[in-house]
Amino acid sequence: AQSVSQHNHHVILSEAASLELGCNYSYGGTVNLFWYVQYPGQHLQLLLKYFSGDPLVKGIKGFEAEFIKSKFSFNLRKPSVQWSDTAEYFCAVKAGTKTSYDKVIFGPGTSLSVIP
Amino acid sequence: DTGVSQDPRHKITKRGQNVTFRCDPISEHNRLYWYRQTLGQGPEFLTYFQNEAQLEKSRLLSDRFSAERPKGSFSTLEIQRTEQGDSAMYLCASSSGTGLNEQFFGPGTRLTVL
Repeated sequence: AQSVSQHNHHVILSEAASLELGCNYSYGGTVNLFWYVQYPGQHLQLLLKYFSGDPLVKGIKGFEAEFIKSKFSFNLRKPSVQWSDTAEYFCAVKAGTKTSYDKVIFGPGTSLSVIP
Repeated sequence: DTGVSQDPRHKITKRGQNVTFRCDPISEHNRLYWYRQTLGQGPEFLTYFQNEAQLEKSRLLSDRFSAERPKGSFSTLEIQRTEQGDSAMYLCASSSGTGLNEQFFGPGTRLTVL
C-alpha cells in the first residue's frame, strides 16, 4: 500500500531562516505529488503540485519542491520564511496517472512555527 | 465565494446518536471525496464519488458510515450509533475530473462525540 512519511513533526524557525521539509513516499510506479498547507483556522489549500516534466516545481508564496524519483522524495523548500508561513504542511501522493484513480494519500503533517 | 462548503462546521453529539453532514462541492465539479482528519494526522481517505456513483470506499468506512450523492451534486455523510473514536474533522473535497484534477477542500465539519 502507498504511504507517505514526513521527516519532522514540528519545526520552529526564526523569520528569514531557510526552510526544508522532508517528504518520502512508497510507491514504485508513476505518482502525482502535492504539498498542501493549512493555516490556523483555515481549510487545506494546495501549495504546489508535480505531475510530470521539470522535477523542480514552483508554487505559491515563494515555495518550491523538488521531485527526486530515485529517492522517492518530494521535499518542500523556501529560502526565507515569514511569520505568516506558520501553518501545518502536508505532503500527499496520488498513485498512477489515470484520472479515474483519485485517492490521495496524505502524510502526517509537519507543524511549522515561525518566530518573529 | 464559490468554493466547497460543508455544514455544519461543528457538531457535538452523545455516543450512540446518529449524525449527518452535508457537503456542497464546486458547482461544475463531478468528483467528490470525503476524508477524516484526527489531531496530529493528515487527512485519511474515506470515499469517492464520480457524479452519483460511489466508486471507492476505504476500509476505514465501517458499516456505521454511509455516504450518498443522490443527484450528483451535494453529498451527505451519515454516521450511525456514533462512538467516541469517531471524533474527528470530516473533510470534503471536489475536483473537475479533467486536466490536472486538483482537489479543492472545504472547511470541514468537526465532530465531537461525548
